[in-house]
Amino acid sequence: DAGVIQSPRHEVTEMGQEVTLRCKPISGHNSLFWYRQTMMRGLELLIYFNNNVPIDDSGMPEDRFSAKMPNASFSTLKIQPSEPRDSAVYFCASRTGGAEQFFGPGTRLTVL
Amino acid sequence: SQELEQSPQSLIVQEGKNLTINCTSSKTLYGLYWYKQKYGEGLIFLMMLQKGGEEKSHEKITAKLDEKKQQSSLHITASQPSHAGIYLCGAVGDNDMRFGAGTRLTVKP
Repeated sequence: DAGVIQSPRHEVTEMGQEVTLRCKPISGHNSLFWYRQTMMRGLELLIYFNNNVPIDDSGMPEDRFSAKMPNASFSTLKIQPSEPRDSAVYFCASRTGGAEQFFGPGTRLTVL
Repeated sequence: SQELEQSPQSLIVQEGKNLTINCTSSKTLYGLYWYKQKYGEGLIFLMMLQKGGEEKSHEKITAKLDEKKQQSSLHITASQPSHAGIYLCGAVGDNDMRFGAGTRLTVKP
């Protein structure tokens, strides 16, 4: 298995633009997690899905952030409109049951 | 929600020295994970601990979960430059996983 796949790896955009981050979890994993990592706040859980259903989105900072998981093999995290303070590394992770959680390589987002 | 506090926040050691990183939880830990992250990269799984008193080792890294299951320690023996990075502890909550702020380890050759 290729592991958790994220795209793009790097994204530079201007304030106000829409940004879409993509994640393909490991096949067979039924839980998917989106995290954001910054120097100031560390690794924060934004939202997670169980069997494609959003379970807890309390970590989503604002209404500008939205996440979807239309099927078991794909999820998106969208920011609209983006702001400079959204600049961070966004990680997607997946796991099944209580097993190890595998992380993707991350998407480094820079909002100018 | 469960909070994890890691100490120290950063650590600089000479190659060959031993070191310990601690992770303390505000609630009972039902699953404690240790990850390592190199700058600009994803998180690499090191170990998972679930039982009070459990201890696991991988190469020169040993992790323990105390009997009360509210604290874990990560010990590196004879540190090497390859051990440098950020070490994060993660705790399983209802169904999610949340992390401590991380400990940045620098190993001087």
